[in-house]
Amino acid sequence: DAKTTQPTSMDCAEGRAANLPCNHSTISGNEYVYWYRQIHSQGPQYIIHGLKNNETNEMASLIITEDRKSSTLILPHATLRDTAVYYCTDDYKLSFGAGTTVTVRA
Amino acid sequence: DAGVIQSPRHEVTEMGQEVTLRCKPISGHNSLFWYRQTMMRGLELLIYFNNNVPIDDSGMPEDRFSAKMPNASFSTLKIQPSEPRDSAVYFCASSLGSGRAVEQFFGPGTRLTVL
Repeated sequence: DAKTTQPTSMDCAEGRAANLPCNHSTISGNEYVYWYRQIHSQGPQYIIHGLKNNETNEMASLIITEDRKSSTLILPHATLRDTAVYYCTDDYKLSFGAGTTVTVRA
Repeated sequence: DAGVIQSPRHEVTEMGQEVTLRCKPISGHNSLFWYRQTMMRGLELLIYFNNNVPIDDSGMPEDRFSAKMPNASFSTLKIQPSEPRDSAVYFCASSLGSGRAVEQFFGPGTRLTVL
């Protein structure tokens, strides 16, 4: 069973920031938080990962709470092409749960 | 780079037949992963190789499944005999490095239907 919990779905307006929460309350000290997304009928795509510090790359930012029990993925300016299922996991074997279905609307 | 290449993209077979799925990882990557995805179970890691050596095969369902990596540029996942419950999308992924803190690059997947 997945050790992370995410909201089932989320809508976002095009051009606005999308904030995706994830709870990983059982994460251990040396486990990273990974975010991937899956666009319909494609393979999962890596977004970002982090251990303790906040991280940013060209796709997104990752904010990890100080106790590391939760994190938030931020898509700063959502586009229609960001519509996908977003997965958060603390397992390097990438055992995803159901993820969050994000729909970006024009 | 062409990315991770998988073949075939779609496979329909009858129960009891042998199925072989193929994967070519990204050149220079030294880790390769086989996953299976279904609606019921989500994404599951079946096996992963590092430097062509199987490191963790705890996710392989049973003896009907086998995987090989004869060289750094090719891997196969074989199911013999196949059963309807094996119907799923099978993904291959590769990475530079293994374990934690690495980005995995996924192929487009093989959609397997066992009748």
